Amino acid sequence: GAGVSQTPSNKVTEKGKYVELRCDPISGHTALYWYRQSLGQGPEFLIYFQGTGAADDSGLPNDRFFAVRPEGSVSTLKIQRTERGDSAVYLCASSLSGTSTGELFFGEGSRLTVL
Amino acid sequence: DAKTTQPNSMESNEEEPVHLPCNHSTISGTDYIHWYRQLPSQGPEYVIHGLTSNVNNRMASLAIAEDRKSSTLILHRATLRDAAVYYCILREAGAGSYQLTFGKGTKLSVIP
Repeated sequence: GAGVSQTPSNKVTEKGKYVELRCDPISGHTALYWYRQSLGQGPEFLIYFQGTGAADDSGLPNDRFFAVRPEGSVSTLKIQRTERGDSAVYLCASSLSGTSTGELFFGEGSRLTVL
Repeated sequence: DAKTTQPNSMESNEEEPVHLPCNHSTISGTDYIHWYRQLPSQGPEYVIHGLTSNVNNRMASLAIAEDRKSSTLILHRATLRDAAVYYCILREAGAGSYQLTFGKGTKLSVIP
């Protein structure tokens, strides 16, 4: 498909485990964003990539969270030593370029449940 | 980022127009006004954006007050598919204008 693809759509894990969430952006989009959304809240910014580099990681809550985009396309969000409070929907978005008018295209999200 | 204020929820009858308000009294001169919506169990989707002038597209219209301290998203004829959470977001122009800061939005219910 032509949209942003996220896998897995659902992930259930146990407290303390390691988790990877994958985002496949729209082809040719240089800007990629990760957001986290808790129930009843709006999406919360985590990190932004322009190409391969993380241009802004100020939204990552702590050092258990890390994201990479090694070839400037697919990105992986990595969460170490998961906690119950990490349970949320993790959304990925891409944009042709990171500008004030550029439209963000979101995936359907990966729902993470930490037991 | 400048803050926006929206009602928590609104209701509309199907096939009626809907006016979704947004207050942004601390908007700066270079802030763009963006609207996104989020249907149940989906990621947000772009609706419309503007700077000073009113804007129209196939999905909606955006009416911006002359002083830019408020705006209104207009759905001309609500359908059941328009039931969603609508987010009004200010996005700074220039350096660092890359991310969207979402609030809680307005949950729109459409009554058949």
